[in-house]
Amino acid sequence: AQSVTQLGSHVSVSEGALVLLRCNYSSSVPPYLFWYVQYPNQGLQLLLKYTSAATLVKGINGFEAEFKKSETSFHLTKPSAHMSDAAEYFCAVSDQGGKLIFGQGTELSVKP
Amino acid sequence: DGGITQSPKYLFRKEGQNVTLSCEQNLNHDAMYWYRQDPGQGLRLIYYSQIVNDFQKGDIAEGYSVSREKKESFPLTVTSAQKNPTAFYLCASTLQGGNLGTEAFFGQGTRLTVV
Repeated sequence: AQSVTQLGSHVSVSEGALVLLRCNYSSSVPPYLFWYVQYPNQGLQLLLKYTSAATLVKGINGFEAEFKKSETSFHLTKPSAHMSDAAEYFCAVSDQGGKLIFGQGTELSVKP
Repeated sequence: DGGITQSPKYLFRKEGQNVTLSCEQNLNHDAMYWYRQDPGQGLRLIYYSQIVNDFQKGDIAEGYSVSREKKESFPLTVTSAQKNPTAFYLCASTLQGGNLGTEAFFGQGTRLTVV
């Protein structure tokens, strides 16, 4: 069975600092991985996805993620945090039928 | 604009009542999904449908029911058998349900509270 683990339910950074949100997956087949962002009381918006074309994936709003098979990781990064990045972030792996298996989520806070 | 519309945004239910959450999409997507979100637990799959007139249980289907009579609509009924229905419910769709790696599009969610 596939699964996703996000390390750290809450991450706090200062504005302008590096953002690093961790995601590890478990999959018996080559995975398709996603990062979604959720603002309070809203739905999820796709940040980026990995579909085996390239290990470094660039997404919207300056975010990127690197797929590392040896580490079974797909960590999300952004060089410089902005106040508007404060939100909850979800890592997910694609399952049969188009279903998504989500991690527990990481809430990102950005301090001025 | 194409997208997914969930209604209502907020819903209050008395104990013992059934309530129905609406989900409509105009993306011409084949597959639709219902997820439940609780704090610290991520999103969990309730039901999904890959084609009209067919649907499958997800991980937490007990106390819920769905129908898929039209391609664009996938309503979720929270029955009185669901013992802890207070949660944020998200509807999603994908172009084709059978393909791995297909991006899911989400509605804005319905927050259900038992009073």
